[in-house]
Amino acid sequence: KQEVTQIPAALSVPEGENLVLNCSFTDSAIYNLQWFRQDPGKGLTSLLLIQSSQREQTSGRLNASLDKSSGRSTLYIAASQPGDSATYLCAVYGTSYGKLTFGQGTILTVHP
Amino acid sequence: SQTIHQWPATLVQPVGSPLSLECTVEGTSNPNLYWYRQAAGRGLQLLFYSVGIGQISSEVPQNLSASRPQDRQFILSSKKLLLSDSGFYLCAWSKSITNTEAFFGQGTRLTVV
Repeated sequence: KQEVTQIPAALSVPEGENLVLNCSFTDSAIYNLQWFRQDPGKGLTSLLLIQSSQREQTSGRLNASLDKSSGRSTLYIAASQPGDSATYLCAVYGTSYGKLTFGQGTILTVHP
Repeated sequence: SQTIHQWPATLVQPVGSPLSLECTVEGTSNPNLYWYRQAAGRGLQLLFYSVGIGQISSEVPQNLSASRPQDRQFILSSKKLLLSDSGFYLCAWSKSITNTEAFFGQGTRLTVV
């Protein structure tokens, strides 16, 4: 059974800091890993998708890496802004069909 | 471009009443469709997924059912709601088994009282 763990559970940083969110998974048989952002009371917004054959993906100030063999991914946020405050969720799509398994999320607060 | 619509946004229902939540996807054909529930402190749990019309797979035994009457329509139902059915319900779609990037709707907050 796939298990996804995100560390830290919560993070509070001043504006402008670079930060790293961590995600680990127990079963390396995955199609891809996806990072999402969720604002309070809202749905999930896809940030980055990394295919199992890829090592990293970048979008603006976001960079996600994937080390499938060790079951780890990191989401790097550069020059954080108050608007980045949200819950960040990591999910892996396992080779068992239809299985998108989520971590518990990291609650990020960026204060001015 | 593709969009996903989910309604209603919020719902308060008494115990024992029926439930129907609807999700539709526009701009794509034959998507894979998913229903997730997000409960406080428990993360996102996959409830149902569908790869085509009339094809439903259930992930966990529960008081809910799902149907897919049309290619881009996915419905979550219950005949009699329980207090434990309260939560945030999210519909999602992906293109196919080989293109598995998932896109989510805005969710429905269900409170059973």
